[in-house]
Amino acid sequence: GQQVMQIPQYQHVQEGEDFTTYCNSSTTLSNIQWYKQRPGGHPVFLIQLVKSGEVKKQKRLTFQFGEAKKNSSLHITATQTTDVGTYFCAGLGSQGNLIFGKGTKLSVKP
Amino acid sequence: SAVISQKPSRDICQRGTSLTIQCQVDSQVTMMFWYRQQPGQSLTLIATANQGSEATYESGFVIDKFPISRPNLTFSTLTVSNMSPEDSSIYLCSVMTGDSYEQYFGPGTRLTVT
Repeated sequence: GQQVMQIPQYQHVQEGEDFTTYCNSSTTLSNIQWYKQRPGGHPVFLIQLVKSGEVKKQKRLTFQFGEAKKNSSLHITATQTTDVGTYFCAGLGSQGNLIFGKGTKLSVKP
Repeated sequence: SAVISQKPSRDICQRGTSLTIQCQVDSQVTMMFWYRQQPGQSLTLIATANQGSEATYESGFVIDKFPISRPNLTFSTLTVSNMSPEDSSIYLCSVMTGDSYEQYFGPGTRLTVT
């Protein structure tokens, strides 16, 4: 079945350092979404990418969708302690459901 | 977006009993989903709750164990039946609104089975 792989599983950074998480799919995705889950919280929608090669920015966050629509990345510039949490990518399945990656847990040392 | 509430927020239940979790949305939505999330793990889709018809279950999940109701476009319930400690998890409902595929999640129900 359709799978979405995400790396790394964990990332520990010093505040001010950059952070990147990568997402790869076994099949072409119609779109990819990114969610953030704070410790003890629920996943919160960040962004959706639809077009091949698309790049979107939200302040210090940059999201990319690969040309082949099989991979995506989330890059955070100059991390802050408020960035702590787990970042999930999710690909849209054939049934309209989301297939989540395993997530990257980010910790930021002040 | 949508505002979603879940009840209960948490519960501790005895083995062999059942718990029904409610999910209420503040607006009519096209699709509602139920997920399970083990601590520190990713989200696993249990089923899609269909209004007016039987839910669509993912592989590994069956109606007898996780009966789902969706009587209207703003409400759904998930029952965890004949619970065992392996059912201890966080259960989340989510909704998809309009033509966009983005999902909004409820706050979750933390279930512990002893």
